[in-house]
Amino acid sequence: GENVEQHPSTLSVQEGDSAVIKCTYSDSASNYFPWYKQELGKRPQLIIDIRSNVGEKKDQRIAVTLNKTAKHFSLHITETQPEDSAVYFCAASTPGTYKYIFGTGTRLKVLA
Amino acid sequence: EAQVTQNPRYLITVTGKKLTVTCSQNMNHEYMSWYRQDPGLGLRQIYYSMNVEVTDKGDVPEGYKVSRKEKRNFPLILESPSPNQTSLYFCASSLAGVSSEQFFGPGTRLTVL
Repeated sequence: GENVEQHPSTLSVQEGDSAVIKCTYSDSASNYFPWYKQELGKRPQLIIDIRSNVGEKKDQRIAVTLNKTAKHFSLHITETQPEDSAVYFCAASTPGTYKYIFGTGTRLKVLA
Repeated sequence: EAQVTQNPRYLITVTGKKLTVTCSQNMNHEYMSWYRQDPGLGLRQIYYSMNVEVTDKGDVPEGYKVSRKEKRNFPLILESPSPNQTSLYFCASSLAGVSSEQFFGPGTRLTVL
């Protein structure tokens, strides 16, 4: 079945630096790749998503890139701020399966 | 306000005592799902429902049951809870199945002694 691997599991960056989190998926038929942010004690919330017909998508300081050939996608956060500190989850879904597969999460710490 | 609600938010119980965690959404979403979150394992899908009376197993369905008698409600049932079901549980719903944003409930922290 579908598997999503996420790296790194923890990431510490200085405020103002960039952060990159990478995910690899196994099912080449997957076509939707969202990223969720979970602050401490809160529910996961969508921050950005990308579909397989697009290679890159940006929303202010956040961007996601997709490489379908290599079956991996990445989250890029520029000019990090303390409020970016959270756990980030990638996910992948495949049409017709009705299943949503999440990565194991990355704990991002932005050091002031 | 558009939202997904879960109850209870916290529950401590004992092995074997049947329990139900309720989930309700007011967004008229067809797709609903249950996840458990454990340290180092991320979010794992337990069961999902594509519409009323249509449910199917996710990746970790053992020990759980669900039902979908109404569009808005999707309860999670633990017939005989065991300590390995101690976890943080999230209900979620989405408008367009797995091809759109999932809206999560606030979570239910369950401890089985």
